[in-house]
Amino acid sequence: ETGVTQTPRHLVMGMTNKKSLKCEQHLGHNAMYWYKQSAKKPLELMFVYNFKEQTENNSVPSRFSPECPNSSHLFLHLHTLQPEDSALYLCASSQDSSRANEKLFFGSGTQLSVL
Amino acid sequence: DAKTTQPNSMESNEEEPVHLPCNHSTISGTDYIHWYRQLPSQGPEYVIHGLTSNVNNRMASLAIAEDRKSSTLILHRATLRDAAVYYCILRPYSGGGADGLTFGKGTHLIIQP
Repeated sequence: ETGVTQTPRHLVMGMTNKKSLKCEQHLGHNAMYWYKQSAKKPLELMFVYNFKEQTENNSVPSRFSPECPNSSHLFLHLHTLQPEDSALYLCASSQDSSRANEKLFFGSGTQLSVL
Repeated sequence: DAKTTQPNSMESNEEEPVHLPCNHSTISGTDYIHWYRQLPSQGPEYVIHGLTSNVNNRMASLAIAEDRKSSTLILHRATLRDAAVYYCILRPYSGGGADGLTFGKGTHLIIQP
């Protein structure tokens, strides 16, 4: 148990659906991250929020829309996805994303399949 | 960002030490060296990090070369539970914020019983 909880663990959706991934951290951290891990590819950083402000958007298509209502919760809203968006989506948190010497804590991820 | 180079895979025997190498010849003076590992079907897990000096914790040791162009993660006594992909990552502090970690392909560590 890392203190970072992601729901759901598995999600199957059609290309016309709208769904949301949820991440919650119980560590008192101020930074939260979304990563994407496709099969046989390295993890790709998608978004970073620090103290509820988005500090990084790594050229992610607009069909992925993040939301960070407070420091403990992070959402990834999905709409009109493509089959190539099928991947493991990982959430992470840390004390402050501006510090290079800190640790990230990851959730177990949501395995997304787009049909 | 400075790049790291790791072997694609390594194999070791249970209860023996494991030395996982990482080359980072373009490292800058303010880059921290981080190691994470990812067990099957799980998110990555922090292992250790350092800047210039060698570091030890309950999971592993990190040996950093004097010129900082390479480092080695040392697992003192490998168990089957240490089988994972190990990532060596440089996290730069640019002054404007470090933001997220950039992962490479890592080293797939196989432990033989």
